[in-house]
Amino acid sequence: EVGMVESGGGLVQPGGSLRLSCAASGFTLRSYWMHWVRQAPGKGLVWVARMNEDGSRTDHADSVRGRFTISRDIATSTLYLQMNSLRVEDTAVYYCVRDFVGGDDYWGQGTLVTVSS
Amino acid sequence: QSVLTQPPSASGTPGQGVTISCSGSSSNIGNDNVYWYRQIPGTAPKLLIYKNYQRPSGVPDRFSGSKSGTSASLAISGLRSEDEADYYCVGWDGSLGGYVFGTGTKVTVL
Repeated sequence: EVGMVESGGGLVQPGGSLRLSCAASGFTLRSYWMHWVRQAPGKGLVWVARMNEDGSRTDHADSVRGRFTISRDIATSTLYLQMNSLRVEDTAVYYCVRDFVGGDDYWGQGTLVTVSS
Repeated sequence: QSVLTQPPSASGTPGQGVTISCSGSSSNIGNDNVYWYRQIPGTAPKLLIYKNYQRPSGVPDRFSGSKSGTSASLAISGLRSEDEADYYCVGWDGSLGGYVFGTGTKVTVL
């Protein structure tokens, strides 16, 4: 059975860092593009980053480029999002997503990141 | 600020149909596929349409997608109460180098 569990969210001060994790089960990260998507409270969806099946390519949204980095550990089947230089506007629920646009999407339950002083 | 524009709301009575538009530009919809997501409040989104008009397994044929030029549409026929949700279009923007979501449309079943 497919499962994805995000963790690592919490309260952080502006300028701080967090690393989000997404533990995947029931499938291999090597078979899918993996993405992070976020949603600020009461707002719409925003795509954040993606990594391809073999890990050779990553793309990041303009708003996070240079501050956030998507990565993965195949051995533990875990996807990561390293978030540095956090801003108040980064406050959102962060979702780990498998196959975002491939027709076989699967979303985690999300983890809340709050950036506030 | 989203580069894909949707109407903020749409509504219909049970059994009716509604159509949601998504307006973009040559750097996104005009040059790549469009996808549609549905999000029931309090839950994670779910893909409804991929590659402009294709439905993932399990999505009923009441949902259909189309694209023309720099715009796309999602049509929902035979509205049901469970269709009340927020709907988002998505596309790859070559100029921005990433996916962009639409502004979202809240569908209400009257």
